[in-house]
Order: sequence, then structure tokens, then C-alpha cells
Amino acid sequence: KNQVEQSPQSLIILEGKNCTLQCNYTVSPFSNLRWYKQDTGRGPVSLTIMTFSENTKSNGRYTATLDADTKQSSLHITASQLSDSASYICVVSAMNTNAGKSTFGDGTTLTVKP
Amino acid sequence: GAVVSQHPSWVICKSGTSVKIECRSLDFQATTMFWYRQFPKQSLMLMATSNEGSKATYEQGVEKDKFLINHASLTLSTLTVTSAHPEDSSFYICSARDFMGHESSYEQYFGPGTRLTVT
Repeated sequence: KNQVEQSPQSLIILEGKNCTLQCNYTVSPFSNLRWYKQDTGRGPVSLTIMTFSENTKSNGRYTATLDADTKQSSLHITASQLSDSASYICVVSAMNTNAGKSTFGDGTTLTVKP
Repeated sequence: GAVVSQHPSWVICKSGTSVKIECRSLDFQATTMFWYRQFPKQSLMLMATSNEGSKATYEQGVEKDKFLINHASLTLSTLTVTSAHPEDSSFYICSARDFMGHESSYEQYFGPGTRLTVT
């Protein structure tokens, strides 16, 4: 069964600090892994997308890594800002399947405090 | 980047009435759109896949007669919640895929969501 597990479930950090969110998956055969940011009451917004051959991708202060061998990904946020407070969702897609059937993690809720 | 819009952003309706939610891809054509629902502090759950010009594909446990999906054009899909009840109150999100030429290379864009409250 395809699964995506994210940790921690929630995280509180001070403004300006860095943090790392984790995503472990068992989706197979692997196609791609995406990180989304979802503000409360809003739809998810894409941060990064990585395929099998990519092991790191950055988007401003967000850097995602992928280890396809251990089936792990991380999202590193540097110099956090109050606006980074949101839920971060890891989504993994398998090849040859309906794109909408991607497997969603439950998300990590990040709270950045001043 | 590509944008997906939803309308309305929120709606309150009485039990027994029907509500239509629109999902539009604004600057790309989407042959396939997806409808999700999300309960508080839970992840998105796929309800159905909307295919332009054909019937939608529903996930197990989703009543197709209750959640009517129409994908009449390459940029518009609608979800109608028929005979809504309080338990249908949820956050409904659509998404569309912008194909980038390779099976592994596509972007999935989500709409801003529609908050449905049934009283």
C-alpha cells in the first residue's frame, strides 16, 4: 500500500530560525515528489517538484532534498518568517497512475512565532 | 505560473438544497481536473477525477449521484453537491494538471478552495 508519512506533525519555531521537515514514502514505482504549502483556509501552493534523478531543488528559502534509495525527502526552511506559518504537505506520485491519485501526507503544521 | 480559480470561495446553504462549485484553469487547458475534500486538520482526500468530454471517475465511497461533476470544456469543471446535508460541510478543493511533456514532468495546481457550510 502506498503511504506517505510526515514528521513532525507540528512544529513551533522562532522567527529567523531554520527548520527541517521530513517525508518518508513507500510509493512505488516512484514518479515524482512534491512539497506544497497550504495556508489555513486556502488551497495548496507548490513549492518544489522532484523526479527520480533529482536530489535537491530550491525555491527561495525553501530547499527540498530527495533520497530515492531510502525513500526519504526533507524540506528545509531557512531564516523563517511569520508568513511561513502554514501546513506543509508532501505528495508522492507513482508512475502510470491517475495524477490525482497521488498519495498525500498528513502534513506538518509549522508555526513561526515572533 | 498557471492559476486555478474556484467560485465561490465560501457558501452557506440550507439542508436539502444543491450547491454548485466552479473550477477554472485560467491560463492553460486541463483535460483532467480533480476534486478533493478536506476536513479540519486532515489531508486532502480525492473524491473524483473529472475528464473533459466524458464521465467523471469517482473514488470508492463517493456517491456519484450526490456529487455531480461536469467537465464541459478544457478550462471548466463543476462540482454540484445535491441535497446537501450538514455532514457535507467541508472544504472542497479542485486541482488541474499542466502537462509539461513528460509523464514525470507535470505540475499540479490547486484552486483556493471553497468552504461549504450546510445549516
